Amino acid sequence: GEDVEQSLFLSVREGDSSVINCTYTDSSSTYLYWYKQEPGAGLQLLTYIFSNMDMKQDQRLTVLLNKKDKHLSLRIADTQTGDSAIYFCAEKIGAGSYQLTFGKGTKLSVIP
Amino acid sequence: ETGVTQTPRHLVMGMTNKKSLKCEQHLGHNAMYWYKQSAKKPLELMFVYSLEERVENNSVPSRFSPECPNSSHLFLHLHTLQPEDSALYLCASSQIMDPNEKLFFGSGTQLSVL
Repeated sequence: GEDVEQSLFLSVREGDSSVINCTYTDSSSTYLYWYKQEPGAGLQLLTYIFSNMDMKQDQRLTVLLNKKDKHLSLRIADTQTGDSAIYFCAEKIGAGSYQLTFGKGTKLSVIP
Repeated sequence: ETGVTQTPRHLVMGMTNKKSLKCEQHLGHNAMYWYKQSAKKPLELMFVYSLEERVENNSVPSRFSPECPNSSHLFLHLHTLQPEDSALYLCASSQIMDPNEKLFFGSGTQLSVL
């Protein structure tokens, strides 16, 4: 079955690194995504990784994928107060699938 | 105007009202989606339209009725809703058959059913 799990809350101090973790169950995932949702807004695509990659870096963001353990993480370097938001992990299964399976989201709180 | 635009941003309605949510995408995409976001639950896919044809309907109650008149516009018609239907309704679009297909979301309509 399809299930994406995330911890619900994470607090970090401004300037520290944040690591948000996600586990998924379907080994046939093709793409995995991280979305960010700020209060009162929709979901914004932050970054994504193809399932045959181990790592992707994009400025302050680093995505790590451990396909064996079905574990995805998002590291935010030098976390700022503007990074406070809910972060959603999502997996896409198959090339033709319309549906992403989302986790419940991790609320990141950045303490000044 | 760029991206995915949803109106209204907020909606309060009684259980006997009829209202509609509107979504417009300016990205040239060929698929549009309705998602429901409730507190403490994962995003739930409600409807998918691909090339203006409905391709998926995830057992959504008939009090929700989608309409997709063209590839840029999507509506969700609401009637006889229940208080448990109160949620954030998100519209999204994507370019299907793109191997790097990604969803782009609107800001949502916060719906309260009294």
